[in-house]
Amino acid sequence: EVQLVESGGGLVQPGGSLRLSCAASGFTFSSYWMHWVRQAPGKGLVWVSRISSDGSSTTYADSVKGRFTISRDNARNTVYLQMNSLRADDTAVYYCARGEGAVAGLWGQGTLVTVSS
Amino acid sequence: SYVLTQPPSVSVAPGKTARITCGGNNIGSKSVHWYQQKPGQAPVLGIYYDSDRPSGIPERFSGSNSGNTATLTISGVEAGDEADYYCQVWDSSSDHVVFGGGTKLTVL
Repeated sequence: EVQLVESGGGLVQPGGSLRLSCAASGFTFSSYWMHWVRQAPGKGLVWVSRISSDGSSTTYADSVKGRFTISRDNARNTVYLQMNSLRADDTAVYYCARGEGAVAGLWGQGTLVTVSS
Repeated sequence: SYVLTQPPSVSVAPGKTARITCGGNNIGSKSVHWYQQKPGQAPVLGIYYDSDRPSGIPERFSGSNSGNTATLTISGVEAGDEADYYCQVWDSSSDHVVFGGGTKLTVL
C-alpha cells in the first residue's frame, strides 16, 4: 500500500526540541521530493520545508529557518524534521507529503506537536 | 512573499455549482493546485496544474486559471463535498510553496 506515516509528535516545553519522522512505503521513495506542512488548531495549511530526492537541496519557510532541519534517509525510506527552539506558535499537526514537482500528491495522517509549559 | 487570497466561506445548495476563487498577483502565470480537507482528515489533492484531476476525483471537479484569479468549480454539489479547500502554488522567486488561507464549503 502506498502510504506515509508520521511519528514523533508530542508535548514539549518552549525552547525544547523534537524530531519528527515520516516513513514511506509502497513507492520508490528516493525518486520524490518530500515536504512538511503544518496546520495549527483551527487554522489553515502552512508549508514548512522541502527536500530534494537525493537530499542535496533543502528549502524552509521564513518562520522556521534556522530552527528546523529537514533530512532524509533513502535507505530507510524516511524523511525527518528536526525542530529546535520550539515556540508556542509551532503548535500544530505536522504532515509530510510526497512532492511531485510542487504538487503534494500524497499526504500522511499527521502528527500533533504541542509546545506548552 | 507571494500571497494567495481565498474567501473564508462559500455556501451552495445541493445540486448547484460552487466556485471557489484563489487570487494572486498574475497567478495565471503559475500552476495552481487544489486540496480538499474534510474534518479530522489529512488533505487530499483534488486538482493539479490548474485543471488536471488525479484518478479517483470526480469529473464534477474542475479548475481554471487566468489573470489574477484561479477558480475551483464543483458542479452538482453533493453533501459529501462539504470540506475546506486550499489553493497552492510554487513561488519561484522565493523557492517557497505557498498555500491560500482556505475556503470552507458549506452545502446548505
